[in-house]
Amino acid sequence: ELKVEQNPLFLSMQEGKNYTIYCNYSTTSDRLYWYRQDPGKSLESLFVLLSNGAVKQEGRLMASLDTKARLSTLHITAAVHDLSATYFCAVDRGSTLGRLYFGRGTQLTVWP
Amino acid sequence: ETGVTQSPTHLIKTRGQQVTLRCSSQSGHNTVSWYQQALGQGPQFIFQYYREEENGRGNFPPRFSGLQFPNYSSELNVNALELDDSALYLCASSLIWGGATDTQYFGPGTRLTVL
Repeated sequence: ELKVEQNPLFLSMQEGKNYTIYCNYSTTSDRLYWYRQDPGKSLESLFVLLSNGAVKQEGRLMASLDTKARLSTLHITAAVHDLSATYFCAVDRGSTLGRLYFGRGTQLTVWP
Repeated sequence: ETGVTQSPTHLIKTRGQQVTLRCSSQSGHNTVSWYQQALGQGPQFIFQYYREEENGRGNFPPRFSGLQFPNYSSELNVNALELDDSALYLCASSLIWGGATDTQYFGPGTRLTVL
């Protein structure tokens, strides 16, 4: 079964700082997703990465994908409090079965 | 365009009871997937429905069952509830086209507590 590992699981950082969340997966995957979840809320889609070397940016978040290393990163630039949330990466095999395999999530807290 | 909706938002049941959760998919989508998210964990795939049939299933027992209706809405039924079934149940809708499932959009979830 496809395994997805994220690290760190908990991240506490000061506003204005940069940091990277890592997502490793165990077998070949066609697509990788990053989702954000606020406490008690559902999942909000942030990025979909479809090919090796793909890079996407939205505001202070930038995601990249290295399919050869089976690694995706979510880089946070100059963090602000509003980014505090849990971030999940998920992969699927791109078949008609859209089963997503999720990591355990990274709980990010940004403090002043 | 309406997003994915789920009902109810919260539910409390006792062990052994049965529960039905409902999901309306996003306009234009033909597929519904259900996930269980235990506290502090990532969502776990339960099953997916496409064209009113189960299109794949995760590692969940048969007491977890579902339906998809002609309007693409869906139900998740859980029989003989156990304490470990307490979780957030998420429904995700998507479009299958070109032989693959497109991005899944999640509903707000149903928080189920089993006492």
